[in-house]
Amino acid sequence: DAGVIQSPRHEVTEMGQEVTLRCKPISGHDYLFWYRQTMMRGLELLIYFNNNVPIDDSGMPEDRFSAKMPNASFSTLKIQPSEPRDSAVYFCASRGTVGSPLHFGNGTRLTVT
Amino acid sequence: AQSVSQHNHHVILSEAASLELGCNYSYGGTVNLFWYVQYPGQHLQLLLKYFSGDPLVKGIKGFEAEFIKSKFSFNLRKPSVQWSDTAEYFCAVPQTGANNLFFGTGTRLTVIP
Repeated sequence: DAGVIQSPRHEVTEMGQEVTLRCKPISGHDYLFWYRQTMMRGLELLIYFNNNVPIDDSGMPEDRFSAKMPNASFSTLKIQPSEPRDSAVYFCASRGTVGSPLHFGNGTRLTVT
Repeated sequence: AQSVSQHNHHVILSEAASLELGCNYSYGGTVNLFWYVQYPGQHLQLLLKYFSGDPLVKGIKGFEAEFIKSKFSFNLRKPSVQWSDTAEYFCAVPQTGANNLFFGTGTRLTVIP
């Protein structure tokens, strides 16, 4: 298995632009998670899906952030409009059954200037 | 809700020194505990996990962790560190009634050759 695949690896954009981050989970995994990692706040859960359905989005910082999972093999995290404080590394992770470990993608390093 | 705390923010060791990183969890019924490692510029990878049974868990790369229920601890250990162990280490626990993992703030380990 190729693991969790995220794209792009790096994204540099200007403030106000729309940013879309993509994730392909491991085939057969029912759960998909979006995390954000910053120096100040560490690793924060933004949202997670079970069987393509958003279960908990309480970690999404504000309405500028949205996430979708149209099918079992694809999810997006969108920021519109982006702001410099959104600069971080965004990780997607997936797992199978409850209690099994998370498998993380390589992350997308987002820089908003 | 279940949570974990890591009190060591940055640990600096010389090669061949012994390592112990602290992790304390809050009580919440059945305890599953994880240690993840993040090498510089890379994604989080599972180091080891505890679900039940032998409280001394062996992981990859010579790491181990001991679940001590009376102390609510799950400290990570390695008898002799190498320069390649330089990384950030995260303790994690499933959140009570939820399917996501709560990650500690992480401990940065720097091993000096």
